[in-house]
Amino acid sequence: DVKVTQSSRYLVKRTGEKVFLECVQDMDHENMFWYRQDPGLGLRLIYFSYDVKMKEKGDIPEGYSVSREKKERFSLILESASTNQTSMYLCASSFVTGAHSGANVLTFGAGSRLTVL
Amino acid sequence: GDSVTQMEGPVTLSEEAFLTINCTYTATGYPSLFWYVQYPGEGLQLLLKATKADDKGSNKGFEATYRKETTSFHLEKGSVQVSDSAVYFCALNPRSGSARQLTFGSGTQLTVLP
Repeated sequence: DVKVTQSSRYLVKRTGEKVFLECVQDMDHENMFWYRQDPGLGLRLIYFSYDVKMKEKGDIPEGYSVSREKKERFSLILESASTNQTSMYLCASSFVTGAHSGANVLTFGAGSRLTVL
Repeated sequence: GDSVTQMEGPVTLSEEAFLTINCTYTATGYPSLFWYVQYPGEGLQLLLKATKADDKGSNKGFEATYRKETTSFHLEKGSVQVSDSAVYFCALNPRSGSARQLTFGSGTQLTVLP
């Protein structure tokens, strides 16, 4: 089975701290994603990467950056954490399947719950 | 733009009850449609999908039919179990769109009581 592993399940940080959320997948997927999950809002895409060193902004990139130096690893960075970034963060990955890429299935990690005080 | 509207939760049912979670969508063309499930303490996982009109996706006793005429993809199960307690997300992706275009509904919390 494909595995997507998020290194931290729970984090508590202070306002202004720099935060790194790490995600690793073990099935050679090209695509990797960072989502934010908030009650009543579903999942919102923060950043997407389709290859090493390649990234695209999602719907809510403000206050976040990402790094993908190796195919299997995709990091989300909060340069200066704020209380409104308290949330559940979900990493996901998928293959690129060509013509019917719209049918791609995402594999998710278990999530990282971040609290910013 | 594309959007997904799910029935609001939470939904509470007794074991063996019939389940329907409504999902309607707005999109151009013929998107692919998905139901993902999130069990407590876990990430999302694919429950079922359908990629063209009138397709029926099914898995673990759950079913959903892609209805182009009503732009719907309602999730149903004939007899729910306590282990089905989870949050259910409807999602769509344009047929040949980039994977980043996946759009999720807001999620429906289901609790099944013994």
